[in-house]
Amino acid sequence: DADVTQTPRNRITKTGKRIMLECSQTKGHDRMYWYRQDPGLGLRLIYYSFDVKDINKGEISDGYSVSRQAQAKFSLSLESAIPNQTALYFCATRGLADQPQHFGDGTRLSIL
Amino acid sequence: AQTVTQSQPEMSVQEAETVTLSCTYDTSESNYYLFWYKQPPSRQMILVIRQEAYKQQNATENRFSVNFQKAAKSFSLKISDSQLGDTAMYFCAYLSYNTDKLIFGTGTRLQVFP
Repeated sequence: DADVTQTPRNRITKTGKRIMLECSQTKGHDRMYWYRQDPGLGLRLIYYSFDVKDINKGEISDGYSVSRQAQAKFSLSLESAIPNQTALYFCATRGLADQPQHFGDGTRLSIL
Repeated sequence: AQTVTQSQPEMSVQEAETVTLSCTYDTSESNYYLFWYKQPPSRQMILVIRQEAYKQQNATENRFSVNFQKAAKSFSLKISDSQLGDTAMYFCAYLSYNTDKLIFGTGTRLQVFP
């Protein structure tokens, strides 16, 4: 089983719909992150959380919200999806400060 | 704010040859980490190699090694004996000690030809 699991793997939806992307981890890490990947732009940070009560905006948080339901779960929501939110979304976790981030397999989201 | 620049959008190399991917970064911090991640067509993000800024010795992982030049703020990745399975997008990333944010470059697409 994967250490960082993202669901769904792929999703196609329409403009204006509310979408939730879910991330769960079995690594016991406190730190969790949501990134967006667009062609030619690399990965950009949307939100991050250092523990259940500590949630922070990243560089591109507008149009997104998150929920840290438990140490192991961190969800990303698009309240009213728009086509320019079409992208590949990654969840990542990190444990100790000197350790690298571990990524899920990504959710490819297409908004028509 | 820190930035990471990968100036080579695409590169190609023949199987068994050596290729070097470039990365430069800008920061005023003295302590940080640098990473290279590989993203194959399967889209997973796979850690290739990491470097702590306080270490002068260049990191090495099997066929992958880095040339870390702290003063020049350069962090290149060398892949020796290239294999078809090395075909992927490669991202350079900077991790700030202070903010715990991972900042990515825009990536270099590497194609390995038989």
